[in-house]
Amino acid sequence: LAKTTQPISMDSYEGQEVNITCSHNNIATNDYITWYQQFPSQGPRFIIQGYKTKVTNEVASLFIPADRKSSTLSLPRVSLSDTAVYYCLVGDDRGSTLGRLYFGRGTQLTVWP
Amino acid sequence: GAGVSQSPRYKVAKRGQDVALRCDPISGHVSLFWYQQALGQGPEFLTYFQNEAQLDKSGLPSDRFFAERPEGSVSTLKIQRTQQEDSAVYLCASSLSVYNEQFFGPGTRLTVL
Repeated sequence: LAKTTQPISMDSYEGQEVNITCSHNNIATNDYITWYQQFPSQGPRFIIQGYKTKVTNEVASLFIPADRKSSTLSLPRVSLSDTAVYYCLVGDDRGSTLGRLYFGRGTQLTVWP
Repeated sequence: GAGVSQSPRYKVAKRGQDVALRCDPISGHVSLFWYQQALGQGPEFLTYFQNEAQLDKSGLPSDRFFAERPEGSVSTLKIQRTQQEDSAVYLCASSLSVYNEQFFGPGTRLTVL
């Protein structure tokens, strides 16, 4: 399993851009990088996935450098409702390994008014 | 549309009691997963079903944990002789197949006193 490392927690204020970086030094050639979001009292949900360079959707952007040993999830102009735990996973195109999802501890993002 | 539902949402058990946690997956989803999430940790894989067949139970922490999905739809996770270390949120997820996106339920929070 490709191990991922991300900060335990981050704080931000409403309206700011938040960047959460994940390290995955042992990523394999055919691995994708996938991010999940988990709100309190809910299960995780898929938010974005990429293989290289940059991916953007309506929720976030994902930046992946050429060596793919790290990735950065970018949340533009966060609001209080973005307070959640964000998980970085490495695996197939849904973040799984043989169909199983392996989450680390994730990053607790707290957005303050 | 209906998502994954779990019941009960909260369960308090005395140490030594047996508990049963129910998961209703999204209709038509072949694959069903159970995860355990301890406080402050990410979800950890417990077991996986393809229809009624339990194909992987490598994540079950002890033989006190038992899961079933007899008709390939609803699944039950049973924990016998509960211990305090079993206190956690138990998440169920379903997907069209093992390699499709997993959709999570809200979880059952189990507290063992």
